[in-house]
Formats: sequence, structure tokens, C-alpha cells
Amino acid sequence: RKEVEQDPGPFNVPEGATVAFNCTYSNSASQSFFWYRQDCRKEPKLLMSVYSSGNEDGRFTAQLNRASQYISLLIRDSKLSDSATYLCVVVPIGGYNKLIFGAGTRLAVHP
Amino acid sequence: GAGVSQSPSNKVTEKGKDVELRCDPISGHTALYWYRQSLGQGLEFLIYFQGNSAPDKSGLPSDRFSAERTGGSVSTLTIQRTQQEDSAVYLCASSVFPGQANTEAFFGQGTRLTVV
Repeated sequence: RKEVEQDPGPFNVPEGATVAFNCTYSNSASQSFFWYRQDCRKEPKLLMSVYSSGNEDGRFTAQLNRASQYISLLIRDSKLSDSATYLCVVVPIGGYNKLIFGAGTRLAVHP
Repeated sequence: GAGVSQSPSNKVTEKGKDVELRCDPISGHTALYWYRQSLGQGLEFLIYFQGNSAPDKSGLPSDRFSAERTGGSVSTLTIQRTQQEDSAVYLCASSVFPGQANTEAFFGQGTRLTVV
């Protein structure tokens, strides 16, 4: 079983739609969680950290369920510029801040 | 700029040749990571440096791969006797230490390696 698993998609949605991505992780001792965004042929960039209480940044909402070892990302009012691959990232305890990446979920927003 | 810099951006090499990939992290970032990304795949962890030491090199795929870091700054990833399966984008990232959980890792633009 992979350490971090994501639905690969692609998710094809119209502008203005709400879309949700899920991610599961296998190491229950994981300490930190992130969503990174990667545009085509570009490097990954941090989208947002994920906190236990859930957190929101504009149109983006991240949730963490430690009991189920599950992370989610919700994007409201999708924009064309949201088209990218979204990478779920987990940092295990004692892992020297090593980031374990999921394979990513591809999102395509169309007019 | 003040971001992570990698060179070369593209490298085409013949099978069996050695290659060196370079990473200049953000100044002051003590943690440095190498990842590999094959076409359409996620990021595969290769090695982590804290200062000049590598406490976690568990991801290096074979003994043909090695990496070093000098002066707590520049890192070089060396692949000996390259094989076609080594073709991928090699990404370097740096972040601030000590191991604060919510520190961002900043990535370079990567080196696209093609072995022919």
C-alpha cells in the first residue's frame, strides 16, 4: 500500500463549480499535512497547510480526519486558473520533515 | 532571484555515462531534499540533507546514485552509469530547520534528464 494515496482524476469541471479532492495516508503517526499545487511542467508550490481543526484560505478549505487518516481539499467557485495537479503531502513523525507526496489529482476547469 | 536554483535545466546523456545535477538552495535553509518525478507520476523521495549530513538516504534507488552537500549550501546529485529508467525530472527543495512541522519546502524548477 502506498504511504499517501489520491484519486488521480482527472476532474473536469465547469467554471464556478465546487470540487473536492480526497487523500488517505497509511502512517498514523504522521504529524503534518499539506496541499501542494503543481502546474504542467512546473515545480510544486505550497497551496496550504492542513490543520486539525480544518482551515480555509479564500475559496480553498482543507480538512483533516486523523481517526480515518484522511485529508480533503475543497475548492469553491472554480476558476480556469485552478487547473493544475493537486498533491497531498504528509510528514511522518521523526521523518526529518521529509515530505511524502501522493501521486496527485489532476483538475481541469473549463469555460 | 532568491529561490532554489538547479542546473542544468535539461540534460541529455548517453546510456552508461555519468551525470551531475546541481542544486543551490535558498540562503539560510539548512534542510535540502532531492526528489525524482517520472512522467505523469508523483514525487519520489531520494535523499534528505540536514546541513552537510544525510540522515535519510533511504530513497536512493541504487548504488549508482549518490549525493553530497558542502558548506551547508550547494548539493550535487550524481548518477553513475546512467540507464534509460533514470530519465525523469530531478527536483531539489529546501526548507528552514529545525524540523518545524509547518515549514514550507521551496522547490527549484528541476533538471529534466533524458538518457538515450
